[in-house]
Amino acid sequence: DTAVSQTPKYLVTQMGNDKSIKCEQNLGHDTMYWYKQDSKKFLKIMFSYNNKELIINETVPNRFSPKSPDKAHLNLHINSLELGDSAVYFCASSRGAHDYGYTFGSGTRLTVV
Amino acid sequence: DAKTTQPNSMESNEEEPVHLPCNHSTISGTDYIHWYRQLPSQGPEYVIHGLTSNVNNRMASLAIAEDRKSSTLILHRATLRDAAVYYCILWTSNKLTFGGGTRVLVKP
Repeated sequence: DTAVSQTPKYLVTQMGNDKSIKCEQNLGHDTMYWYKQDSKKFLKIMFSYNNKELIINETVPNRFSPKSPDKAHLNLHINSLELGDSAVYFCASSRGAHDYGYTFGSGTRLTVV
Repeated sequence: DAKTTQPNSMESNEEEPVHLPCNHSTISGTDYIHWYRQLPSQGPEYVIHGLTSNVNNRMASLAIAEDRKSSTLILHRATLRDAAVYYCILWTSNKLTFGGGTRVLVKP
């Protein structure tokens, strides 16, 4: 059983399109995150949700909209895709406190052409 | 955000210990020190974390300096599967903020 699963694994789309990436965790964790890893391999946090409430929004363009229908799911919707959105997006979850590790998904490679 | 400094890369021989240093001179009293690693084409994987005392688990050991301004991740016997980028991170402001990490190469 995969602990944090993301779909799709690969996504190729044209500029201007709208796309979504889904994330689900079966660990019973309270907090979920989206991270972006660019071509230089830096991992940057985008959003964090705790029990369906947004707690971190790291100056991400408002074309990116996270949605958490319940605490086991955190989806990422991206409007009007741009070339610079090409990256690997990782979902993660944790128990929400500082003394627990994060569990990451295997990533979604988004390519905008 | 509190920052960490790590060497860009390190090499090790298989079955030898690896000591990965990390400086975090601006750490505050409530910041936890976390280590993650990322194998090629995979998501980051939790390795270990601590606050003040040294910590051991099945993957590694974490040695924390008494003033907490530096720490060392110790892989006791490196295997080829340990080749990865290792990130030293301070958990602060409700989040993990990744730096550049150390790329570990393991030679057979």
